[in-house]
Formats: sequence, C-alpha cells, structure tokens
Amino acid sequence: DQQVKQNSPSLSVQEGRISILNCDYTNSMFDYFLWYKKYPAEGPTFLISISSIKDKNEDGRFTVFLNKSAKHLSLHIVPSQPGDSAVYFCAANYGSGGYQKVTFGTGTKLQVIP
Amino acid sequence: DTEVTQTPKHLVMGMTNKKSLKCEQHMGHRAMYWYKQKAKKPPELMFVYSYEKLSINESVPSRFSPECPNSSLLNLHLHALQPEDSALYLCASSQLRAGGPYEQYFGPGTRLTVT
Repeated sequence: DQQVKQNSPSLSVQEGRISILNCDYTNSMFDYFLWYKKYPAEGPTFLISISSIKDKNEDGRFTVFLNKSAKHLSLHIVPSQPGDSAVYFCAANYGSGGYQKVTFGTGTKLQVIP
Repeated sequence: DTEVTQTPKHLVMGMTNKKSLKCEQHMGHRAMYWYKQKAKKPPELMFVYSYEKLSINESVPSRFSPECPNSSLLNLHLHALQPEDSALYLCASSQLRAGGPYEQYFGPGTRLTVT
C-alpha cells in the first residue's frame, strides 16, 4: 500500500523554464510534507517542507503547494537549472513525538536540458 | 558540520558472514534512522532511535540488529543475510524537539551485496 505516490517517474524541462513535480498521498494523518533531492551515489538532501496547516511555502527558487482537500502537493522550481537534474522524492511525516516517521514517494527523475 | 558519514561505502558479504555498518554524526542530533533502498525504489524506514533508545522497528527481520552506543554513533549489525537484502543502506539523523518535524540529514549510504 503506497501511501505517497509520485505518478511521473521522469520529467524533462528546458533550462530557465518552470519544473513542476507532483505528489499525491492517501493518509490524512500526515502532518508535514518534505521534498528531498537525490544525486546518484549520494544520500537524499532536504529541499523544502510544508506543514499540513499551510498551503504554500517558498524558499528561493523552490515553492511547495499543498492542497489538503485533494491530498496533493507540488514542488515548483523556477527557473530550472541544469544542476537541478536529480531524483526528487516527496516525503510525508506522521507526527511521532519529535522524531520522524517518514514515508517516501516513489521519486521523479528531473532532467533540465541546457 | 552538517555531515553524516557512513562506513564502509561498499560491502560484499556471504550469507554466513557477520558484518556491521557504521554511521556517525556530530550535529548534536538525538534522532537517528536506518533506511533500506532498493534500485529505483524509495528509501524504506527500518529503525528509529531517539535519545539512544530504539523507538521504531518497522518489522525488520532479526538478522538486522541495530545498536546506538552513544548519541553520535549508530551501527547496524548484519548476520545470515539473504541475497534479497542486497540494497543501499542509508543512515540519517535529525533534531528532536517540539515544533518539528525537522529535516533529516542523510549519509551517502553503504552499498551492500549479499552473495
């Protein structure tokens, strides 16, 4: 039972344009959502997060939008750069007393074409 | 220092061997995690330690035995593994206080091959 899904396994975008990565979840108890980026042979690196009580969070070129009624979130990268090419994981957290019980989505491989 | 280190980077072991994976962080994080990642799959949570005590065991087989000897170190002891246990094993750490959750910092992983 995959509680966090990223339905697009891959995405190609021209440099300078917007990249939109999507994520759907099923568990309404998730209280925080996070996006991680992963390069080959490295561990995931945190990008941005959003609380379930918010609908938008912005950090530089990265913006995450949350639509709770649709159980959907998206990551927007503007403008996209070749260095953004990586696998992006959406992750959902279920509050567990300070530590995190995180479920990762299946990942979307982003390729930014120069 | 925001680095999580893992050793070894690569490990090949037979099904009768005993080996250990090591993870270290010096960020003062009191939550540490082990994940398993198979090819083209997301990381899957195995264990969570908070304040050096095991808080979550996601029904992991007993051939995987975690240990947290102090607040900076996390070990994963391996014994009698199966070929299907071959995967990338990721360690992570995070802060542990109210107002979270806080992002996890991941190590580069140990690529394990069981022959």
